[in-house]
Amino acid sequence: QVQLVQSGAEVKKPGASVKVSCKASGYTFTLYDIHWVRQAPGQGLEWVGWMDPNTDNTGYAPKFQGRVSMTRDTSISTAYMELSTLTADDTAVYYCVRLVRKVIIYYFDSWGQGTLVTVSS
Amino acid sequence: QSLLTQPPSASGTPGQTVTISCSGSNSNIGRNTMNWYRQLPGTAPKLLIYNNNQRPSGVPDRFSGSKSGTSASLAISGLQSEDEADYYCAGWDDSLNGWVFGGGTRLTVL
Repeated sequence: QVQLVQSGAEVKKPGASVKVSCKASGYTFTLYDIHWVRQAPGQGLEWVGWMDPNTDNTGYAPKFQGRVSMTRDTSISTAYMELSTLTADDTAVYYCVRLVRKVIIYYFDSWGQGTLVTVSS
Repeated sequence: QSLLTQPPSASGTPGQTVTISCSGSNSNIGRNTMNWYRQLPGTAPKLLIYNNNQRPSGVPDRFSGSKSGTSASLAISGLQSEDEADYYCAGWDDSLNGWVFGGGTRLTVL
């Protein structure tokens, strides 16, 4: 079965960077885009960006442009999201999600368990 | 402020039917398919409805989705206590060139 397993919780100081990993299994890693979605404590879901593991193409939400980088290592079926210049507002659970694309139908069908990133001095 | 507007809360009694709305615009709901996710406390969201009204295998037919113009809705019939959760609509936005989520609706079963 499809599984996305993320790295563990992180605590970072303001101004630092964090890199979260997402290991995929149960399917061919390069056939599905990986997206990242975050959720601040008690808040809703917010899209961060996407990466095509096959081509290494990426796309980021405007508010994260210049501060986020999404990469992958196809040899170990793992995607990464790095967020820099962290502030307290970046404290959130970060999810990696798999995008299913069928012609004009798009949906996230599998989610990682989430990685809590806490930014605190 | 999300581009997709949901009521922050909804409630119903066991057995009732509850409907959760999601209002958007021509750049998202009006042009693209909509999906719904359910999130239980402390867990990752789970796909409930995709392509406006399709249920993934394993999702009971008590859950149904619909879309008309720039609005979408999720209906839950035969409400059960385990339906208490947060529900989110989501879809692609052509103007933003990215995914948008509704603010979420917390469903309470009285």
